[in-house]
Amino acid sequence: EAGVAQSPRYKIIEKRQSVAFWCNPISGHATLYWYQQILGQGPKLLIQFQNNGVVDDSQLPKDRFSAERLKGVDSTLKIQPAKLEDSAVYLCASSARSRRAGGADTQYFGPGTRLTVL
Amino acid sequence: QKEVEQNSGPLSVPEGAIASLNCTYSDRGSQSFFWYRQYSGKSPELIMFIYSNGDKEDGRFTAQLNKASQYVSLLIRDSQPSDSATYLCAVRGAQKLVFGQGTRLTINP
Repeated sequence: EAGVAQSPRYKIIEKRQSVAFWCNPISGHATLYWYQQILGQGPKLLIQFQNNGVVDDSQLPKDRFSAERLKGVDSTLKIQPAKLEDSAVYLCASSARSRRAGGADTQYFGPGTRLTVL
Repeated sequence: QKEVEQNSGPLSVPEGAIASLNCTYSDRGSQSFFWYRQYSGKSPELIMFIYSNGDKEDGRFTAQLNKASQYVSLLIRDSQPSDSATYLCAVRGAQKLVFGQGTRLTINP
C-alpha cells in the first residue's frame, strides 16, 4: 500500500512570496490533515478535511493560509504572503475512521515539506 | 496549561535499560491516546495506541493509561541505540488530535 505523498520536499522562498504544497493521501482514506511542525515542537493541526469538507480549521491563519481538497482526494495548502515565522515542516496525514469505540483513527504521515522563509 | 504536556528532555538511557516516557493531558473527555516516534528530519510514525485504562504491550513497547490521573506513558524495554528519537504523545479529544512537544530520547551504547 502506498503511503502519503507530498511535494515538494524542500522549498526556500523569500518573505512576502507565495508557496503551495501538495498532498496525496493513502488510497481510500477519507480524512486528510495538514500540520505545521516548528523545530523543537510537536505538530500543530492547521486544517482537517473529511472528504472534501472542512472539519476543523480553527488554527489556520486564514489571512495568509488557504487549503482545498476539491475532489476529496489530494489537497493543496497555500501560503500567501509568507512570513519568516512560517519556516517549518508542513506535514500531511490521512486516516480511515476506525469503527472502534470512541471513533479513534490512526493518522499516517507523509514525508513533509520543509519550508524556509528568508 | 498546555493540552498535552511532555518533558522535552533530553532523556538519556543506557543500552539494554528501560526507557520511561511520560505525558499528561488536560481534556478529561479524551478518548484515545497515541505514541509516535520521530527520527531527526523524518515524519512521525505510529508506535502504538491505547484506549482503555491499564497496560497495552506490543513487543518491547508498553503503553500505560490512567484516565483518572490524566496520564499516559510509554515504556521501552531492552532499549537499543536505534530507539534514539523524539517520542510524541498525541491525545484525541472531541474532534482533533493534539500533540505534545515530544521527548528526545538518547540510548547510550
